[in-house]
Amino acid sequence: EPEVTQTPSHQVTQMGQEVILRCVPISNHLYFYWYRQILGQKVEFLVSFYNNEISEKSEIFDDQFSVERPDGSNFTLKIRSTKLEDSAMYFCASSDREGDEQFFGPGTRLTVL
Amino acid sequence: DQQVKQNSPSLSVQEGRISILNCDYTNSMFDYFLWYKKYPAEGPTFLISISSIKDKNEDGRFTVFLNKSAKHLSLHIVPSQPGDSAVYFCAASALWGSEKLVFGKGTKLTVNP
Repeated sequence: EPEVTQTPSHQVTQMGQEVILRCVPISNHLYFYWYRQILGQKVEFLVSFYNNEISEKSEIFDDQFSVERPDGSNFTLKIRSTKLEDSAMYFCASSDREGDEQFFGPGTRLTVL
Repeated sequence: DQQVKQNSPSLSVQEGRISILNCDYTNSMFDYFLWYKKYPAEGPTFLISISSIKDKNEDGRFTVFLNKSAKHLSLHIVPSQPGDSAVYFCAASALWGSEKLVFGKGTKLTVNP
């Protein structure tokens, strides 16, 4: 069964450093998303991406964040200068049609020290 | 911002009995609702969805009921099995104009053998 994969599973970084979280969505999917879950809190939407551009982003997704689909398979989330409050689980998701169910990856746990 | 509310943080049921998980929403623009199951250290797994044109959707042991006038939905699991023990998230989206999923805080279901 096709699935969304994410690497690394755990990333530890120093405050102020750049991190890139990687995702491989399900191969025939066209819509891509990033969500995050701070420990003990809700899963929160960050950004959606379709046709090589951002289609929607939340207030959390400020200038420190960017997304990219560098090739036909990867979808990345970059945080330019990490802050302590960026520590969270980051989930990538994909769907094949607008409004269809989104399939989530296992997540990357980001720890900012 | 609590557009999607799951007021019960936890629920415990006996194996073989019915589990009923509840969810309320406040945004009348929501027209698509989903339930996800999440095990520790894994991403949310899609379970079942319902669009606002229906009031019930069934898939095996899982049934979702939607009461639009009350802005309430529920997930019924019958019969409950120990393997169903997980955190269950209710999520909602507005099919037109937004693809983002808005999640509730989750309900931890424990099914006792």
